[in-house]
Amino acid sequence: GIQVEQSPPDLILQEGANSTLRCNFSDSVNNLQWFHQNPWGQLINLFYIPSGTKQNGRLSATTVATERYSLLYISSSQTTDSGVYFCAAYNAGKSTFGDGTTLTVKP
Amino acid sequence: DAGITQSPRHKVTETGTPVTLRCHQTENHRYMYWYRQDPGHGLRLIHYSYGVKDTDKGEVSDGYSVSRSKTEDFLLTLESATSSQTSVYFCAISEGLTTHYTGELFFGEGSRLTVL
Repeated sequence: GIQVEQSPPDLILQEGANSTLRCNFSDSVNNLQWFHQNPWGQLINLFYIPSGTKQNGRLSATTVATERYSLLYISSSQTTDSGVYFCAAYNAGKSTFGDGTTLTVKP
Repeated sequence: DAGITQSPRHKVTETGTPVTLRCHQTENHRYMYWYRQDPGHGLRLIHYSYGVKDTDKGEVSDGYSVSRSKTEDFLLTLESATSSQTSVYFCAISEGLTTHYTGELFFGEGSRLTVL
């Protein structure tokens, strides 16, 4: 099956800083999603992005399918951005998750 | 928010007892999934269903069985719970990837299971 790797595993920022999270996948995928798991454990859909670039407020994502990676950009980070960010690669009817990046934003 | 309800949300049980977790959806989505989440492992797929009575194994299916007798319900059963099955279990739904749908996953709130 598809292997999904995320980096870095942990990231600590000061409020206001920018960050880039990376997701590499081992094979062609039909779909790539980014999720945020908040401190209460809820999984929040951020982006569905099989290719190209999307933006939603301070967050944006880019997937380069031909090179098998996706990037999540967080600008002007806030304490509420803290949590775990997962990417999930979809192929053949199911999604495979990376191990996540744990982001801590300090005030 | 996607209409996904998991029950129970919290359960403590003893080793060797059977446990059933229920996922109920109101979205009429074709695909339903059970994942488990453990520290350091992200989310790992246990079983999934691509239609009523159509199920398949994921990467960590040993010790688990599933059933889907109607579109809206997907049950995960631990026939004889073990301490290694202590985890948070998430249900997800999707319409699958077709000319009209993207395959986007939507998650329930999770069920925390502790096996003593």
